[in-house]
Amino acid sequence: DADVTQTPRNRITKTGKRIMLECSQTKGHDRMYWYRQDPGLGLRLIYYSFDVKDINKGEISDGYSVSRQAQAKFSLSLESAIPNQTALYFCATSDRDRDLNEQFFGPGTRLTVL
Amino acid sequence: AQSVTQLDSQVPVFEEAPVELRCNYSSSVSVYLFWYVQYPNQGLQLLLKYLSGSTLVKGINGFEAEFNKSQTSFHLRKPSVHISDTAEYFCAVSIKAAGNKLTFGGGTRVLVKP
Repeated sequence: DADVTQTPRNRITKTGKRIMLECSQTKGHDRMYWYRQDPGLGLRLIYYSFDVKDINKGEISDGYSVSRQAQAKFSLSLESAIPNQTALYFCATSDRDRDLNEQFFGPGTRLTVL
Repeated sequence: AQSVTQLDSQVPVFEEAPVELRCNYSSSVSVYLFWYVQYPNQGLQLLLKYLSGSTLVKGINGFEAEFNKSQTSFHLRKPSVHISDTAEYFCAVSIKAAGNKLTFGGGTRVLVKP
């Protein structure tokens, strides 16, 4: 079984709809991240969480919110989706106590906003 | 703030030929450097990382990279590519003071031709 899972894997929605993307991990890591990937721009950090009570904005947090429901779960919400939020979204995890900075990625969620 | 530039957005290469993917970064402090690979329809997987020590780093699948502090570069190389190396490759940096946050380059798409 995959260590980092994301649901759904694909989603098509309409402008103005509320969308939630979910991430779960079985790695026991305390740190979790949400990125979006756009062609030519690489991955950009939306939000990150270093533990259950810690939430931080990344470089492109506008239009997004997150919830860390448990150590293993980190959800990303689009309160009112817009077309330029069409992208591939990745969740990642890392372990504070391990070798620095290696992040483990989920398979991604492809979101299309019409 | 740090930034990463991958100089080639696409690199076509014939099977069994060598390949080099270029990565330059900018930062006012010491950085940690990474190369990730994304195979089609998959998440990102760590290829190799430089944290300290020897500037020549060997990774999985026959890849290696050399850290050059004076040129602020971390180019990735493989002496002989296979069809299975067709993927997108991302260079990333982080700094210790920023926790595990990664800053990614825009990616280089490698297409290996028979």
